[in-house]
Amino acid sequence: SQQGEEDPQALSIQEGENATMNCSYKTSINNLQWYRQNSGRGLVHLILIRSNEREKHSGRLRVTLDTSKKSSSLLITASRAADTASYFCASGSGSARQLTFGSGTQLTVLP
Amino acid sequence: SAVISQKPSRDICQRGTSLTIQCQVDSQVTMMFWYRQQPGQSLTLIATANQGSEATYESGFVIDKFPISRPNLTFSTLTVSNMSPEDSSIYLCSVDGAGGASNEKLFFGSGTQLSVL
Repeated sequence: SQQGEEDPQALSIQEGENATMNCSYKTSINNLQWYRQNSGRGLVHLILIRSNEREKHSGRLRVTLDTSKKSSSLLITASRAADTASYFCASGSGSARQLTFGSGTQLTVLP
Repeated sequence: SAVISQKPSRDICQRGTSLTIQCQVDSQVTMMFWYRQQPGQSLTLIATANQGSEATYESGFVIDKFPISRPNLTFSTLTVSNMSPEDSSIYLCSVDGAGGASNEKLFFGSGTQLSVL
């Protein structure tokens, strides 16, 4: 299956700033998920937004979904050095087996 | 959530050899998934490991190259056979939840970083 696109590919910000990452996908979905991967490690699930939702919050995370544009964004507010990681979106159309991962954004938060 | 132990965490192997990666989950799960992540790339699903039946492979992956075992509901292995440098990747085990947990999201092991010389 085709993978989604994320931009930017890399993002470098100062601690305390906000970080915004964008994701586009190609097919109809019933949910869109975001995962974080610390260097060389496994992925950790961050947040899931359903196709009938437009915005969702979890702590310092804010996710939006625009199904008409087939796009999503992840905003991390008041970033910390510990937020340094790769962030992947994954579009879901049913079971977890059908998740399609995006190309990822490498976020670096400078202290 | 599920806790997944994966080993080895990393290995350096010679061309032509095979490596078996183990994945242990702390609870019974129906399906276990094996992913490959090539350097700087996203995740690609290799196969789904089902207990009591043969694994289901995705397009571009074959059983001879990536044999999988699933002897019970908490354990699976992935073997990377007859390795070449192109097999250098991170290999990730994952599950879609346990018991009554959501099956829409994935829980991942810590990955196996494989380098083939």
